Amino acid sequence: DIQMTQSPSSLAASVGDRVTVTCRASRDIEDYLVWYQQKPGKAPKLLIYDASTLQSGVPSRFSGSGSGTDFTLTISSLQPEDVATYYCQNFDSAPLTFGGGTKVEVK
Amino acid sequence: VHLVQSGTEVRRPGASVNISCRTSGYTFTKFAVQWVRQVPGQGLEWIGWIHAAAGHTKYSRDLEDRVIIDRDTSTTTAYMELSSLRSEDTAIYYCARGTAREGFDYWGQGTLLTVSS
Repeated sequence: DIQMTQSPSSLAASVGDRVTVTCRASRDIEDYLVWYQQKPGKAPKLLIYDASTLQSGVPSRFSGSGSGTDFTLTISSLQPEDVATYYCQNFDSAPLTFGGGTKVEVK
Repeated sequence: VHLVQSGTEVRRPGASVNISCRTSGYTFTKFAVQWVRQVPGQGLEWIGWIHAAAGHTKYSRDLEDRVIIDRDTSTTTAYMELSSLRSEDTAIYYCARGTAREGFDYWGQGTLLTVSS
C-alpha cells in the first residue's frame, strides 16, 4: 500500500501569510494526488485534483504542485475562513490512502 | 447533487451495520462512490469504493475481511456493510461521489456509528 505522509501536523500563521503544506508518497504516484479541506463538524471539501487542478469554485489563493512523490498545497494569503484541517489522498491505486492531516490555525 | 446518508447507529460488539447513501441530481452510473470513516478528533481513513456502473469494488486491506460495499442502480443508492463490529469501529462514516481522476467532489452528511456494550 502507498503511505502518504503530511507535514507539518499543525501550523499557525497570521492572516495574509503564505502557508505551505507538504505531502509525500511512499512511491511514485505521478500526479494522482487530491487535496481536501475539512472544517470542524463538516464533511471534507475537494480543493485540488491531479495534484494542481483547482476544483471549480475554490478560491484562487489555493494552489497545488508536485509530481512523483512530493506534493505541496499552498495558500497564498491565509484568510480566517481557511482555518481547517487539510488532507492529501493518493489517487494512483487502491487503497486510496489519506495523509494524516495538517491543522491550519490563525495566530 | 445530493448524497443523503442513513441516521445514527448504535451496535453491540460482534454485530453488523448497514449504512446507506441515497444519491440524486446526477447520473449514478457515471461515477464511483467511496466510503471513508473518521474517529472524532482523528484523521480520515479510506474504507473502499464501488464503481456504480459495473459494481467493481476495492477495499482497505485492514477492513476487507469485514466490509462489503454494494449499490442499487434502480434507487441510485450505495451501501456499506461492516460486520464483526469492535469498539474501534466507532466513527463517523462518510460516502462521497467522484471519479478515478477528479477526486470526490460531493459528500454525504456523515453517519455516526457507536459500538459499545
